[in-house]
Amino acid sequence: QKEVEQNSGPLSVPEGAIASLNCTYSDRVSQSFFWYRQYSGKSPELIMSIYSNGDKEDGRFTAQLNKASQYVSLLIRDSQPSDSATYLCAVVNYGGSQGNLIFGKGTKLSVKP
Amino acid sequence: ETGVTQTPRHLVMGMTNKKSLKCEQHLGHNAMYWYKQSAKKPLELMFVYSLEERVENNSVPSRFSPECPNSSHLFLHLHTLQPEDSALYLCASSQDWASGKLEQYFGPGTRLTVT
Repeated sequence: QKEVEQNSGPLSVPEGAIASLNCTYSDRVSQSFFWYRQYSGKSPELIMSIYSNGDKEDGRFTAQLNKASQYVSLLIRDSQPSDSATYLCAVVNYGGSQGNLIFGKGTKLSVKP
Repeated sequence: ETGVTQTPRHLVMGMTNKKSLKCEQHLGHNAMYWYKQSAKKPLELMFVYSLEERVENNSVPSRFSPECPNSSHLFLHLHTLQPEDSALYLCASSQDWASGKLEQYFGPGTRLTVT
């Protein structure tokens, strides 16, 4: 059974701090990774995708991928209260005939003013 | 309309009712998905359609029946549901496998309550 593991949190950080969200996955052949943000009562919103080892930056967000360790993370710099949400890690499942995503349970982030 | 839309946004139905959920994508994608999201559980993939053909059915009970008449529209037909089927039902779309662009974009969801 292919799995994506995330710490459920809640992760609480003060406003202006760096929030670090982590994700591990079990399928060694995975090549594509995504981070989604989900506000309470809303649907998931794609915020980052990463395909290669290393860092990928987009504004205040940085995704980091280490395929050897089967680990992907999301850093949020200068955290704002509006970043308070659940962050879902998703990994492409290559076992099916289509590129399906396997989602983790999500990490709830709370940014305190 | 832009992105992925879903109707209705909220639905309350009895166990003997028949209803349908509708999804429409305006992104030019050719793969569409139905997911179920229950409290404290990860997103569960229910059905996948690629180029209007069903390519995956993750052992979903037959009381859920999908329909994909074209690459822009997806339906989920519901009948004789159980209270444990109450959840947020999400539709998503993406380009197909061959494009390599596997990012999925979600609609706002239908909050379903079965009484």
